[in-house]
Amino acid sequence: SQQGEEDPQALSIQEGENATMNCSYKTSINNLQWYRQNSGRGLVHLILIRSNEREKHSGRLRVTLDTSKKSSSLLITASRAADTASYFCATGLDEKLTFGTGTRLTIIP
Amino acid sequence: GAVVSQHPSWVICKSGTSVKIECRSLDFQATTMFWYRQFPKQSLMLMATSNEGSKATYEQGVEKDKFLINHASLTLSTLTVTSAHPEDSSFYICSAGDYNRNKNIQYFGAGTRLSVL
Repeated sequence: SQQGEEDPQALSIQEGENATMNCSYKTSINNLQWYRQNSGRGLVHLILIRSNEREKHSGRLRVTLDTSKKSSSLLITASRAADTASYFCATGLDEKLTFGTGTRLTIIP
Repeated sequence: GAVVSQHPSWVICKSGTSVKIECRSLDFQATTMFWYRQFPKQSLMLMATSNEGSKATYEQGVEKDKFLINHASLTLSTLTVTSAHPEDSSFYICSAGDYNRNKNIQYFGAGTRLSVL
């Protein structure tokens, strides 16, 4: 399987704290993306980082990419209750996405 | 913008019947749509890539005759689960790329939960 691995599988933090989740992948990529999925719903695109980029920011999100280690991290700062969801990394190649195993994030009010 | 509608959101059917799921891009044209399957608390597995006007490309291990995909227009792709059985019960999600914006980003429907009795 070419599916990536995410770490941790589950994470619970207090509201206001920062949340960090990691993703490792196995194959060559054009880009790496992070998506959020609320329970029983579709996915929402959060951020895309290209293979020649090392770091990218979008609002409270910060993504890093290390292609030599085939890994990425997503940092959510100042977490809110509404951030409770599952987060998936997805590696992109030739318009197809391969999703990681996901991190279930719970924000405790 | 870039809204994808998926219908129905939930369907229960008897074993042996066929179920059709629709995926529509509401405000953009989608030459390519994707169909995924997701088991509880697991990741999304790509089933097939649906191309407008041509046959779908199925991933290894996905039965073409079991999961029929039709992409007859630039805004509509359908997935038909034929002769459904309990093991086909799952969450099916479609997505589409808006190539006028960014071809690398996929926009997802809300998913269809299929329960086969």
